[in-house]
Amino acid sequence: GAGVSQSPSNKVTEKGKDVELRCDPISGHTALYWYRQSLGQGLEFLIYFQGNSAPDKSGLPSDRFSAERTGGSVSTLTIQRTQQEDSAVYLCASSLEASPQYEQYFGPGTRLTVT
Amino acid sequence: SQQGEEDPQALSIQEGENATMNCSYKTSINNLQWYRQNSGRGLVHLILIRSNEREKHSGRLRVTLDTSKKSSSLLITASRAADTASYFCATDLYNQGGKLIFGQGTELSVKP
Repeated sequence: GAGVSQSPSNKVTEKGKDVELRCDPISGHTALYWYRQSLGQGLEFLIYFQGNSAPDKSGLPSDRFSAERTGGSVSTLTIQRTQQEDSAVYLCASSLEASPQYEQYFGPGTRLTVT
Repeated sequence: SQQGEEDPQALSIQEGENATMNCSYKTSINNLQWYRQNSGRGLVHLILIRSNEREKHSGRLRVTLDTSKKSSSLLITASRAADTASYFCATDLYNQGGKLIFGQGTELSVKP
């Protein structure tokens, strides 16, 4: 079946603008994760959703970052008032459940460039 | 914050040689996983080793885990040019819903 998909694949935006990044997880996967990969910070966890439970937002770097998961499927990561330090590749992953025993499948990522 | 540190940061070998990458972590874990990343984009899961396991094999991959030293190693035997990629270890923390904490990665270059 189809893997995790993300859109757009690349996004260039001006500093101060808002952006929305989309993730379509694998059908049937109840857990969805967002990570960010940047030169200075490596790969870092941002947020995860498990079914209808409240998301774990412990990795979001500031209140400019938020994420939603509608209908237990598609997720949108929103960054408000973008800053240059937000430039990074944003990776989404999904798994059957939010548990260490289940493999996470990653999407190709969205490369965000803030000018 | 990063849980893991990997070494070396970069490794260059000839095809046919073995490649060994090491990962150290700081806190107790459930599992440790290794991922490969090509061209700075999506990650591909390679292998998972549980905290009660010491060694695991998958094809040309061999992973060891030493929980007393909080370290793991990934060995790729008989390397191929197609193995050129970045390799990351990732740990998950107890009762943290499977969120992964990644190391900084090792860039492997296999020359034909």
